[in-house]
This record gives sequence, C-alpha cells and structure tokens, in this order.
Amino acid sequence: GDSVTQMEGPVTLSEEAFLTINCTYTATGYPSLFWYVQYPGEGLQLLLKATKADDKGSNKGFEATYRKETTSFHLEKGSVQVSDSAVYFCALSFTGFQKLVFGTGTRLLVSP
Amino acid sequence: DTGVSQDPRHKITKRGQNVTFRCDPISEHNRLYWYRQTLGQGPEFLTYFQNEAQLEKSRLLSDRFSAERPKGSFSTLEIQRTEQGDSAMYLCASSLVARGGAYEQYFGPGTRLTVT
Repeated sequence: GDSVTQMEGPVTLSEEAFLTINCTYTATGYPSLFWYVQYPGEGLQLLLKATKADDKGSNKGFEATYRKETTSFHLEKGSVQVSDSAVYFCALSFTGFQKLVFGTGTRLLVSP
Repeated sequence: DTGVSQDPRHKITKRGQNVTFRCDPISEHNRLYWYRQTLGQGPEFLTYFQNEAQLEKSRLLSDRFSAERPKGSFSTLEIQRTEQGDSAMYLCASSLVARGGAYEQYFGPGTRLTVT
C-alpha cells in the first residue's frame, strides 16, 4: 500500500542552523505531497505542498521539491528559529479521494 | 470563519463505556474526514464524508466505531464498549471539493481520549 517514511527525531539544532528533514514515499501512481506542522498544543497545519514532479513548495522560509526519480520530498530551511520547534509530518494523497497518508512525524527542537 | 472545532477536547472514560465526539467543519466545506493519532505516530485515516454520504471506511474502523454526518454539516464519531487500545487523539478535518479540484484539508485541534 501507499506509505511515507520520515527520518526519526528528534532533530536538535541551534538557531540559524540549516535544516533538512528527509521524506520518501511509496505509492502506486503520482500522488500530491505535503508537509504539515504541529506546534505544541495546536492542530495540524499545512506548511507546503507540491502536486507534480519537480514542483517546489515553499512557505515561511521552508522548501521542498517533489522528486519523482528518488520518490522524495525532503523539507529544508536555510536558517531555523526557536519558533520553528514543532513536529513535522510528511504526507501524500491522490486527487479525488484525498485521504492523507502520513509519516510518523519528526520532532524539531531549536535552541537559542 | 472560526476553523474546524471539536468537542470535547479531552475525554477520560472507563473501559466498556461508550463515548461520542463531535466535529464542526468549516461551514462551506463539503468533505469531512476523521483520523486517529496515537503517541509518536502520524495520523491514520478512519473515514470520510462527502456531504452526508459516508464514502470510505478504513479497516481500522471496527464495528464498535460509527460515524455520522446527518445533515452534511457537523459529524459525530461514536465508540462503543471502549477498550484501552482506543486511547488516542481523534482528529477531524474538512475540505472543499469543487469542479476546479480539491483543496487542502483543515484540521481541528483534536479530541484526546483516555480509556482507563
């Protein structure tokens, strides 16, 4: 079945460090890909998305590029802030049905 | 637009009791989803509605679980004869599906269920 694999956390960084969170997927067909973020005590929020190969999603300084050849959608940010501390989920879905299939999440901890 | 709301936010119940959760989606959204999230895991799909029709159910949704969306607005998720393994965060999401395509899912804050 369709699945998403994320790197295990926690990822611990100092403020202004470069962030990469790896995400790969297995799917029959060509899904849309998403990154969701869950801040402490809050609900899931869509961070960015990409709907086809080579698309780059970006938001709030975060970026991810849909790589069909490596079935990956790695999340990157050039300079993290303490306020970026949260759990990040990679997910996929297919047009029409739209059920989201999530990875297990990666906790990011940013220290001042 | 106040977003997706869920009630209650927390529920503690004894094993064997029945519980019911409510979700109020964003008003113009025609799709409503239920997910379950256990500690350290990502959300897992349970079921979804388009308007009042329940179109898909995961095999995770045993016969003790039932969901309704009677008028195509709010939805309820009932768990009968709760078990300790039902302890989890239950998430509701809604989206708008229109002729031009589907739009992102907006999530509520979740209902945390603890079965003792």
